[in-house]
Amino acid sequence: GEDVEQSLFLSVREGDSSVINCTYTDSSSTYLYWYKQEPGAGLQLLTYIFSNMDMKQDQRLTVLLNKKDKHLSLRIADTQTGDSAIYFCAETTGGGNKLTFGTGTQLKVEL
Amino acid sequence: DAGITQSPRHKVTETGTPVTLRCHQTENHRYMYWYRQDPGHGLRLIHYSYGVKDTDKGEVSDGYSVSRSKTEDFLLTLESATSSQTSVYFCAISESGGGRARGEQFFGPGTRLTVL
Repeated sequence: GEDVEQSLFLSVREGDSSVINCTYTDSSSTYLYWYKQEPGAGLQLLTYIFSNMDMKQDQRLTVLLNKKDKHLSLRIADTQTGDSAIYFCAETTGGGNKLTFGTGTQLKVEL
Repeated sequence: DAGITQSPRHKVTETGTPVTLRCHQTENHRYMYWYRQDPGHGLRLIHYSYGVKDTDKGEVSDGYSVSRSKTEDFLLTLESATSSQTSVYFCAISESGGGRARGEQFFGPGTRLTVL
């Protein structure tokens, strides 16, 4: 089966950069995504990257894609307490009709 | 926010009883999905629908059935609930399903189900 792996926890100090890593499995994935889940809520799309790109920057967010190693990362610059949440990476599967989500990384931002 | 509602938001039931969760959308999106979220497993796809009366299984479909008789409603049924089905259930919708287009999914607020 498909397995998208992430580390479960990350703790950073406010103002530092956070880097959340993900290893995916489907080399044919068209898009790779980062979703954010705040406590008690559903997931919301944070950013995404098309598979023919290596990097995408969106304000404080930088997504890096290493297709050779099937590794995706999300860097959050100047991390704030409002960034505390669970972050999920996801890849397109099933011909693009489905997403396979990682296990999620809980980011805790300390003052 | 995408117009997705789930009902009920919380439910406690007993082992062996049937349970139906409802997802309702006002976006007229073609694709609808049911996931369950459990610690250490992330989100796992239960079933999805690619149109009215068109559904398919996900990776954890055993013990669950779905129905979609209208574009806006996608029902998830646990025929005989078990304690292993205690979880948070999320519905999601997507306009394109992915592939050539972006395939972004919009999520509902979730239903917390406890099976005693």
